[in-house]
Amino acid sequence: KAGVTQTPRYLIKTRGQQVTLSCSPISGHRSVSWYQQTPGQGLQFLFEYFSETQRNKGNFPGRFSGRQFSNSRSEMNVSTLELGDSALYLCASSLAQGSHGYTFGSGTRLTVV
Amino acid sequence: DAKTTQPNSMESNEEEPVHLPCNHSTISGTDYIHWYRQLPSQGPEYVIHGLTSNVNNRMASLAIAEDRKSSTLILHRATLRDAAVYYCILRDVSDSSNTGKLIFGQGTTLQVKP
Repeated sequence: KAGVTQTPRYLIKTRGQQVTLSCSPISGHRSVSWYQQTPGQGLQFLFEYFSETQRNKGNFPGRFSGRQFSNSRSEMNVSTLELGDSALYLCASSLAQGSHGYTFGSGTRLTVV
Repeated sequence: DAKTTQPNSMESNEEEPVHLPCNHSTISGTDYIHWYRQLPSQGPEYVIHGLTSNVNNRMASLAIAEDRKSSTLILHRATLRDAAVYYCILRDVSDSSNTGKLIFGQGTTLQVKP
């Protein structure tokens, strides 16, 4: 079966711009989580969506937002980009909340210049 | 914050077993022990999880100490493809504040030598 698909794979944006990243979970998976990975902070949880509702949120500013559609696909948006937002953004999907195994995508590499 | 302690790096020879340790002295009764690994240029990959008993699957084995304050991920025959960062993560799936959330530490970078 197809894995978790993230698009685009690479993105270069300018400070102050906004960006939208997309994540298509494994078919049948209803929970989608987002993570930011940087060399300094490692992997950090951004938020989780289940049934089109945000169920959990990490410690990130309000510039980071997301949503989930009825087909479980999810998008995350970062507004007013800062240099420090340069990172690998990963999404993970699972069948339901409380699942043990999450399947991650390969990520979107965002570079802010 | 991560509640596990792992060595920063380990080395192994190809086709030999690898034992990756993890300390979690503050583990609670409802915390499951999860292991993920991240190969270069990829997202993390689920490896195995357990609560109290040792667990085996096609990828690895998980040995859990009797007091649950430590665990060991065992790769029975390391291959070059096993070179990755291995993360040991505690997760209480019954806690609604943890929904969808994995707390990653720095992990152990495993180097496999041919």
